Amino acid sequence: DTAVSQTPKYLVTQMGNDKSIKCEQNLGHDTMYWYKQDSKKFLKIMFSYNNKELIINETVPNRFSPKSPDKAHLNLHINSLELGDSAVYFCASSQGDEKLFFGSGTQLSVL
Amino acid sequence: GENVEQHPSTLSVQEGDSAVIKCTYSDSASNYFPWYKQELGKRPQLIIDIRSNVGEKKDQRIAVTLNKTAKHFSLHITETQPEDSAVYFCAASRGDAGKSTFGDGTTLTVKP
Repeated sequence: DTAVSQTPKYLVTQMGNDKSIKCEQNLGHDTMYWYKQDSKKFLKIMFSYNNKELIINETVPNRFSPKSPDKAHLNLHINSLELGDSAVYFCASSQGDEKLFFGSGTQLSVL
Repeated sequence: GENVEQHPSTLSVQEGDSAVIKCTYSDSASNYFPWYKQELGKRPQLIIDIRSNVGEKKDQRIAVTLNKTAKHFSLHITETQPEDSAVYFCAASRGDAGKSTFGDGTTLTVKP
């Protein structure tokens, strides 16, 4: 029943590793996003996909690569993890410019 | 691009008092203004939104006002309760690419 689901909920890893976060929405929305929330709770958009096409790519290191196999899925792959990547990553979806539905978040801790 | 400023960053009120959070935006083309509430350890969730063709919207104890000329909008919570304690985010969107620019958040604490 969960509208936007992302896995895993927690991710603890060593510097230099590569990891992925998966996201799926069952709302039939055409737009999906990745947001990063840092320790100060600031919410910053990273990427936005509309019908599998990248439409927004904010200033994010190219170690971060989103992939959208279909409009219901948007995964985030991160290469060569750094300490500064530690944050909560939220997937979200929307229909056009309507309200955002967020996933439950992935707490990434890089040691 | 759009810039959204949100004040105050922290707000503490007594239960039953009102709370007001204010946001200003820079892009006059923005036309959609949602407010999200994020409880500790949870996801942000929409609590109310307003479009630029409306000046005020109310839903029970919460209301949002919009002044397009001054480019600012505010969230009003009346008769606050401890469960209103959370981080509140305002956002502004042009509605063309589904991108919302968020304010930096306000941590509201309601003391019983």
